Amino acid sequence: GQNIDQPTEMTATEGAIVQINCTYQTSGFNGLFWYQQHAGEAPTFLSYNVLDGLEEKGRFSSFLSRSKGYSYLLLKELQMKDSASYLCAVRDPPPGGATNKLIFGTGTLLAVQP
Amino acid sequence: DAGITQSPRHKVTETGTPVTLRCHQTENHRYMYWYRQDPGHGLRLIHYSYGVKDTDKGEVSDGYSVSRSKTEDFLLTLESATSSQTSVYFCAISESTGQGAFFGQGTRLTVV
Repeated sequence: GQNIDQPTEMTATEGAIVQINCTYQTSGFNGLFWYQQHAGEAPTFLSYNVLDGLEEKGRFSSFLSRSKGYSYLLLKELQMKDSASYLCAVRDPPPGGATNKLIFGTGTLLAVQP
Repeated sequence: DAGITQSPRHKVTETGTPVTLRCHQTENHRYMYWYRQDPGHGLRLIHYSYGVKDTDKGEVSDGYSVSRSKTEDFLLTLESATSSQTSVYFCAISESTGQGAFFGQGTRLTVV
């Protein structure tokens, strides 16, 4: 089966650091993605991990451990505009890898307070 | 930004009527997806396509069908709309690289 878990909600303070965790159990794995989604808008791509380790991109970093089925998104120097939902997604290819199925978790709603 | 448009953006329809949503891309990407998003459920995959006339079911495909007769268009059809299909529908496109998927702006469908 397929299962992707994230906390439902988090609250953090402007200027602080927050870590959003994602654990997954999928039949296959070919990459993990993080997306940001503001209320009423489409999701936008933030980061991609396919190998273990940390990927840094400005204020955002994403970490992956394939053996643990675990990832986190780290947001530094939080700004009010970072208040949004953060979605974890796993690329789950079927046996043979002929397709590119992308499965999402339910998302974490982050509220940044002054 | 990826060239992907959904139409219509908003639609209200009656129970039992057929509805077709259109996703059009100008990026020549191989993969196209239809998701629905509901409170508490996140994005759930309905159907996806990995090439012209190549489609497969996602996790919530009952009551939906799709067609892809050319690279740029992916159609989602509700044969007989029900109130449980009231949702926001997102189309997405991707290539087979690590770019992730790019999303359209969504279609808000209300079935009354």
